[in-house]
Amino acid sequence: NAGVTQTPKFQVLKTGQSMTLQCAQDMNHNSMYWYRQDPGMGLRLIYYSASEGTTDKGEVPNGYNVSRLNKREFSLRLESAAPSQTSVYFCASSESRGYTFGSGTRLTVV
Amino acid sequence: KNQVEQSPQSLIILEGKNCTLQCNYTVSPFSNLRWYKQDTGRGPVSLTIMTFSENTKSNGRYTATLDADTKQSSLHITASQLSDSASYICVVSDLYNFNKFYFGSGTKLNVKP
Repeated sequence: NAGVTQTPKFQVLKTGQSMTLQCAQDMNHNSMYWYRQDPGMGLRLIYYSASEGTTDKGEVPNGYNVSRLNKREFSLRLESAAPSQTSVYFCASSESRGYTFGSGTRLTVV
Repeated sequence: KNQVEQSPQSLIILEGKNCTLQCNYTVSPFSNLRWYKQDTGRGPVSLTIMTFSENTKSNGRYTATLDADTKQSSLHITASQLSDSASYICVVSDLYNFNKFYFGSGTKLNVKP
């Protein structure tokens, strides 16, 4: 049981480049989330998906798009990366009582 | 407005000592409160979860307490080990919106030999 799998683990982008962060869970959870974590800021919600086919904005959605491809997969896309998007990104899935987090993607935009 | 405040921001203790981390929240009504451990470079991992009716929950050397009246929780670590060095994050969920979670900014614990 792998839990939540994120790819890639590390990525360096140039300003203006685009990329998609992939996330998949094998726990049959309905809800999935994308967070970013910056030093001293805690985890901030970018987007979430309460169920397959639905997505909603979180606290910091600007500059990002998401796609809930199916129940297992929830991807995060940066259309035109900016240095302010340098961060560690975590995908998570949950049922009502708790989260399971992926191991994170460290993204640097130069 | 940050609805979950953790203290201290960072803490250094010697191996074998005990320590207590604090979490104060204003989320109301809340569904449950979780403590997570996050090792450097890894995703957070759940330690304990408590509903509003629970006062204490243990997981090995980790004991979490909850006072729903004062909206305070603590995480007590007994006989600390070097592997306890990590960030500890308090997370409170909204009773009426199970997709709404409020994260504290964490306490960074450093256990020294």
